[in-house]
Amino acid sequence: DAKTTQPPSMDCAEGRAANLPCNHSTISGNEYVYWYRQIHSQGPQYIIHGLKNNETNEMASLIITEDRKSSTLILPHATLRDTAVYYCIVRVGGTSGGSYIPTFGRGTSLIVHP
Amino acid sequence: GAGVSQTPSNKVTEKGKYVELRCDPISGHTALYWYRQSLGQGPEFLIYFQGTGAADDSGLPNDRFFAVRPEGSVSTLKIQRTERGDSAVYLCASSLYPGHMNTEAFFGQGTRLTVV
Repeated sequence: DAKTTQPPSMDCAEGRAANLPCNHSTISGNEYVYWYRQIHSQGPQYIIHGLKNNETNEMASLIITEDRKSSTLILPHATLRDTAVYYCIVRVGGTSGGSYIPTFGRGTSLIVHP
Repeated sequence: GAGVSQTPSNKVTEKGKYVELRCDPISGHTALYWYRQSLGQGPEFLIYFQGTGAADDSGLPNDRFFAVRPEGSVSTLKIQRTERGDSAVYLCASSLYPGHMNTEAFFGQGTRLTVV
């Protein structure tokens, strides 16, 4: 799997958008970008994933650059409950060859303050 | 519930003892993963099952660690002769068959193992 690089920490004011960057410059054509978050004392929670198009769901938006070497997770209106460690992962999807195992780095610790 | 269930939630054991940690995946999920997480670190991969077989056990740190999934559903992680360094949160996750396009993994709440 391609390695990812994330800033170790960020902070954001409640109600503002939180933009979390991730670099994955060695991503392969069959690798998806996945985002998870882990709230203190809980297991990681899936947020969103994408291949090359931007994606949006009820939790967040994922913006992937055209060259797919980086992406940004956007929490449009951060709340205090969004305080967590956010992990960016690249892994294979579908029936193509490669590893399906999610491999975690240290992620970005996001603190949302009042 | 419909989520991944791990038992026990907490386990304290003495150094040298044997422990078993259980994971009940989401029904119908054929892929199952074990991770362990130390304080301040991301989850570290241990072993991956596809059905009943261990498709990748490259993350098991040594031969004291072993995991089984005899019927392709519930899995048990077994640790022999526990050491204080084994203290961590052990996480289990499951997902649909990896060939499926939606392969997001769903995690349990973890078992906090403390070896004293």
